[in-house]
Formats: sequence, structure tokens, C-alpha cells
Amino acid sequence: EVQLVESGGGLVQPGGSLRLSCAASGFTFTTYWMHWVRRAPGKGLVFVARINSDGTRTEYGDSVKGRFSVSRDNAKNTLFLQMNSVTAEDTAVYYCATGKDGGDSSIFDHWGQGTLVTVSS
Amino acid sequence: DIQMTQSPSSLSASVGDRVTITCRASQSIDIYLNWYQQKPGKAPKLLIYTASNLQSGVPSRFRGSGSGTDFTLTISSLQPEDFATYYCQQSYSTPSFGQGTKVEIK
Repeated sequence: EVQLVESGGGLVQPGGSLRLSCAASGFTFTTYWMHWVRRAPGKGLVFVARINSDGTRTEYGDSVKGRFSVSRDNAKNTLFLQMNSVTAEDTAVYYCATGKDGGDSSIFDHWGQGTLVTVSS
Repeated sequence: DIQMTQSPSSLSASVGDRVTITCRASQSIDIYLNWYQQKPGKAPKLLIYTASNLQSGVPSRFRGSGSGTDFTLTISSLQPEDFATYYCQQSYSTPSFGQGTKVEIK
């Protein structure tokens, strides 16, 4: 059974940094692109970032480019999101997700439970 | 970037009603359109992928159609557990979502 468990969320001050993790199990992590998606309070889903299977290619949503960095540790089946220079607009539940049937699919068929990031002074 | 526009942003319906949600892409995305359902406090759930394929375990009352720039999600007979927010998402290029459609009880 595919399991994705996010952690690392919490309260962070504006301008601060936070690192989210997503522990994956139940599938061959090393063959899947991995994704981050967020949902701000009262708003819709927004693509944040994705990374290819060996970590050599990344893509970011416009709202986080230059501030967030996605990475992975294939030896530990773990995905990361480094969040820098955060603002109140980054307050959201952050989900990690996998693509259907692996590879570079961005049909998100498995999601974690999400981790809440609150940016406030 | 491809922009996705859903309509309506919300709707009220009764159990048993037929419900239709539309999604328009800012450029052609072929059939690379997916639909998700999200309930409060829960992760999104994949319903339909590549425009018309029903995800395993999803009831057959959910149907997707369309290609190019215009797509539709239809719920043939709304059930109590279907009251939720629905999102379209394109997987043609860097992913993007519609703004969501909240389906509420009338």
C-alpha cells in the first residue's frame, strides 16, 4: 500500500525558513517523479514543485520560484521542500503526491495527509 | 503557463440531481485533464484521469468528457457523500489546477 507521510510543518515568522519532509513507502520511490501541492485557507489547490526520479530536474510554480527548493533522498525514500523567505501568502496545507503509474506522470493518484504551515509574527 | 478556469465556482443541488461542472484551458491540452474531489480536512481524491477514465474504486455516477480546451465533469445522481469541492487539473505541461467548484446542499 502506498503511503506518503508529510512532516515539518508549523509556525514560522515572515522571512523565515522551514523544511518539509515526505516519507514514502509501498512503491518504488526511485522510479517516480514526486510533487508538492498546497491549499491555502479558503483557496484552491496550487502546484508548488516537482522533481524527477533521480533528482536532476525540478520545476516550480510561479509563486515560489527562487524561494523554495525541492529535493529528494532516494536512499531514504524521502522528499523534501525547503521553504525560504516565506510570506503570509505561503500559509497553507502542503501535500506531497505521486503520479499515477509512476514515471513523469502528473496525474496525482496518491496523496499524503498534508502538513500545515502557518506564516505569522 | 496554462490557466484553468472552472465554472461555476459554487452550486447548490439536491440529492438525486444531475450536476455538471465545466473546465476550460487557456490552450489546447489534448485529453490531459484530471478531476479531483476534496472534502474538508482531507487530501484530494482522484476521480477521473485523461478526461474520461474513471479511477479505480470511483462510482460510475461520475463521468468526464471533453478534449482540447473544454471539459466537463458530470455527476449523474448526486449522493450525500458527493458534497465537496471539485478541481480540474491539466497534466499536459507543468501542472495547474482550476480554482475549484464547491457543491453544496440545497
